[in-house]
Amino acid sequence: KNEVEQSPQNLTAQEGEFITINCSYSVGISALHWLQQHPGGGIVSLFMLSSGKKKHGRLIATINIQEKHSSLHITASHPRDSAVYICAGSLGGSQGNLIFGKGTKLSVKP
Amino acid sequence: EAQVTQNPRYLITVTGKKLTVTCSQNMNHEYMSWYRQDPGLGLRQIYYSMNVEVTDKGDVPEGYKVSRKEKRNFPLILESPSPNQTSLYFCASSSGQAYTEAFFGQGTRLTVV
Repeated sequence: KNEVEQSPQNLTAQEGEFITINCSYSVGISALHWLQQHPGGGIVSLFMLSSGKKKHGRLIATINIQEKHSSLHITASHPRDSAVYICAGSLGGSQGNLIFGKGTKLSVKP
Repeated sequence: EAQVTQNPRYLITVTGKKLTVTCSQNMNHEYMSWYRQDPGLGLRQIYYSMNVEVTDKGDVPEGYKVSRKEKRNFPLILESPSPNQTSLYFCASSSGQAYTEAFFGQGTRLTVV
């Protein structure tokens, strides 16, 4: 069964802290997406990874294909980073279809 | 600007009154999909389309219909809405090719009373 598991479910941090959100996925998933959803807002794609590491500003995403594991890191966290972060896997044979994790609700306190 | 546009953003309706949520993308994407998001359950796929006139059921298709007559549009139809369809709905599109980004609409919050 194709699955994506995310942890933690909820995360509270102080401003400035380094944050890590983890995602494990099953065989059959060929690429991993990290998405961001602000309260009351739409969903924005942050990264799409099939190997290695990507960086955008204070956000870093890594993927380990052998271990089927991906992480999203936020350096120097800020209250505006407060959002739900969702990882989603693309199925190898059907690139459009996504399998979603349940999301991690991040709250960064000033 | 590349975007997926959903309308309406908010909708309150009564049980049984047919409604349509529209979705349009301006990126010439072949793949489009509808999801619903519920607390504790995350995002679940309702229907998807690989191209014009090609649609298929996702994980939770009961009570929904879709059509794909043009590449850019993928409306979600609720013929007879019920309270258990109260949810947050998202439309998404991608090229459908390997290792490409998915684009999401702003969401439609539907309440069925």
